[in-house]
Amino acid sequence: EVQLLESGGGLGQPGRSLRLSCITSGFTFGDFAMSWVRQAPGKGLEWVGFIRSKTYGGTREYAASVKGRFTISREDSKGIAYLQMNSLKTEDTAVYYCAREGANWGSFDYWGQGAPVTVSS
Amino acid sequence: DIQMTQSPSSLSASVGDRVTITCQASQDIRTYLNWYQQKPGKAPKLLIYDASNLETGVPSRFSGSGSGTDFTFTISSLQPEDIATYYCQRYDSLPTFTFGPGTKVDIK
Repeated sequence: EVQLLESGGGLGQPGRSLRLSCITSGFTFGDFAMSWVRQAPGKGLEWVGFIRSKTYGGTREYAASVKGRFTISREDSKGIAYLQMNSLKTEDTAVYYCAREGANWGSFDYWGQGAPVTVSS
Repeated sequence: DIQMTQSPSSLSASVGDRVTITCQASQDIRTYLNWYQQKPGKAPKLLIYDASNLETGVPSRFSGSGSGTDFTFTISSLQPEDIATYYCQRYDSLPTFTFGPGTKVDIK
């Protein structure tokens, strides 16, 4: 059974950093691209960033709202994807989901349960 | 940037009704369009990929159509368990991904 589980959420201060982990099981993690998607309280979904599998170079893309502040990485041997969030802003407050890009390119076929992040002083 | 719009933003329908949601892209996105269902407090669930293809395990009362800039998502017979917010999502070759603003579906 494919499972994704986010951890590391919580309270962060403006200007400081937090790191989220997405711990996966039930599939060959290294074969899949991964994304992070967030949802601010009462709002819609916003794509945050994407990391390709090593087969496709392991390169990354980011939304304009987080580019230069957030970094996605992966540790294929452990089946974990990370979201390093630096220079946090209050508008980064959201539930953060990790999602697997499935066999149908461009779609997210499995999602984690979400990790809440609150940025406040 | 390509913008996505959805209409209506919310709707109420009776059990058994046919429900239709539209999604419009500001530029031609061919069929690079997916649909998700999100129930309160839960993660989104993929229903339709590439505009019209039903994800494995998804009930056949859900369907999608369209290409270019105009897309339609349909629930042929609304069920109580379909109460959720529905999002369209476009993607491109970079890739970048953009979600529509969502349509909240309630039972009348």
